Amino acid sequence: KAGVTQTPRYLIKTRGQQVTLSCSPISGHRSVSWYQQTPGQGLQFLFEYFSETQRNKGNFPGRFSGRQFSNSRSEMNVSTLELGDSALYLCASSEGLAGETQYFGPGTRLLVL
Amino acid sequence: LAKTTQPISMDSYEGQEVNITCSHNNIATNDYITWYQQFPSQGPRFIIQGYKTKVTNEVASLFIPADRKSSTLSLPRVSLSDTAVYYCLVGDDSSASKIIFGSGTRLSIRP
Repeated sequence: KAGVTQTPRYLIKTRGQQVTLSCSPISGHRSVSWYQQTPGQGLQFLFEYFSETQRNKGNFPGRFSGRQFSNSRSEMNVSTLELGDSALYLCASSEGLAGETQYFGPGTRLLVL
Repeated sequence: LAKTTQPISMDSYEGQEVNITCSHNNIATNDYITWYQQFPSQGPRFIIQGYKTKVTNEVASLFIPADRKSSTLSLPRVSLSDTAVYYCLVGDDSSASKIIFGSGTRLSIRP
């Protein structure tokens, strides 16, 4: 099976812009979770989706949003970008409800200038 | 939420066995213990998961004592390619929101 794919892999934006990141889970996986990873804060949970429904959201401002489609693919959007949003954004999928056994994608490296 | 404590860094040499210990004093009855490996600019990769006693797969072994307040990831005969950050996670399988990635252990393998 193909692994989790994320597009784009690299992205450069300027402050105030918005960005949409895409994640395609492993075939058959219904759960998708998103994480932000920065050197200072480490890996932090953003959202969790299961069957097109957001089940949980981490402690991030409303500028961060996401959705999941009927084919389990997921997108996350960040509006009004700030310099501090520069990070590696990781998507992970799992067969059922998300937990520890997740399969991560390679991530999207976002740089905000 | 059960918090974990791991050494910040460890060094070893090729061919050695490496043991990384994780403390999780507040582990709950339903919690599993899971270890991930992460290389720079890549997503974490699942290594092994266990609930109690010993679990072994083709990559590593996981030792969990009876009180489950700690666990040890054992990597046999490490190579340079095992240089990575290793995360110990504790939680149940009900939600990714309950999973906390700590600072991890930065393992450096030398020739």
